[in-house]
Amino acid sequence: DAGVIQSPRHEVTEMGQEVTLRCKPISGHNSLFWYRQTMMRGLELLIYFNNNVPIDDSGMPEDRFSAKMPNASFSTLKIQPSEPRDSAVYFCASSFLGQGVDTQYFGPGTRLTVL
Amino acid sequence: AQSVTQLGSHVSVSEGALVLLRCNYSSSVPPYLFWYVQYPNQGLQLLLKYTTGATLVKGINGFEAEFKKSETSFHLTTPSAHMSDAAEYFCAVSEVGNKLVFGAGTILRVKS
Repeated sequence: DAGVIQSPRHEVTEMGQEVTLRCKPISGHNSLFWYRQTMMRGLELLIYFNNNVPIDDSGMPEDRFSAKMPNASFSTLKIQPSEPRDSAVYFCASSFLGQGVDTQYFGPGTRLTVL
Repeated sequence: AQSVTQLGSHVSVSEGALVLLRCNYSSSVPPYLFWYVQYPNQGLQLLLKYTTGATLVKGINGFEAEFKKSETSFHLTTPSAHMSDAAEYFCAVSEVGNKLVFGAGTILRVKS
């Protein structure tokens, strides 16, 4: 299995530009999570989906952030407009929600720099 | 709500020494507990997890952790540190719906 795939791995953009991060979860998984990691705030859950439906987006910092999961094999996290304080590493993770709690598998992350 | 406290943001040990990384949690329900490791410029990788049953859990790379309900702890240990163990380690507790709450992380440095 290829694991969770994220693209791009690195993104450098200028303030005000739109940024789209992409994630392909592990095949067969039905839960998907977007995290943000910074030195100051550590690892924060932004939003998660079960069966392609957003369940909890309370971690999304503001309206500039949006996430979609149009099907079981693809999700996007969009920032519009981007700001320098959005610079961070963004991780996508997937798991199978069945009985109990299953392991979340993380992608390699997208390092975003907003100038 | 669940929470995780990792004592010590940085731990430094000599190669071959015992490693102990501390994790305490709070949970209103029987917890599922996890330790993840993050190597530089990589994503998080599961080391081990506790769900039910045996309280001593063995993971990859020689690590193990013991769930102690009375102490609300889930400390991570390995008997002999290797240079390759240098990384950041995260303890996490599960919430409803497969959500995880992560601790702040502990950076492990291994000295030769």
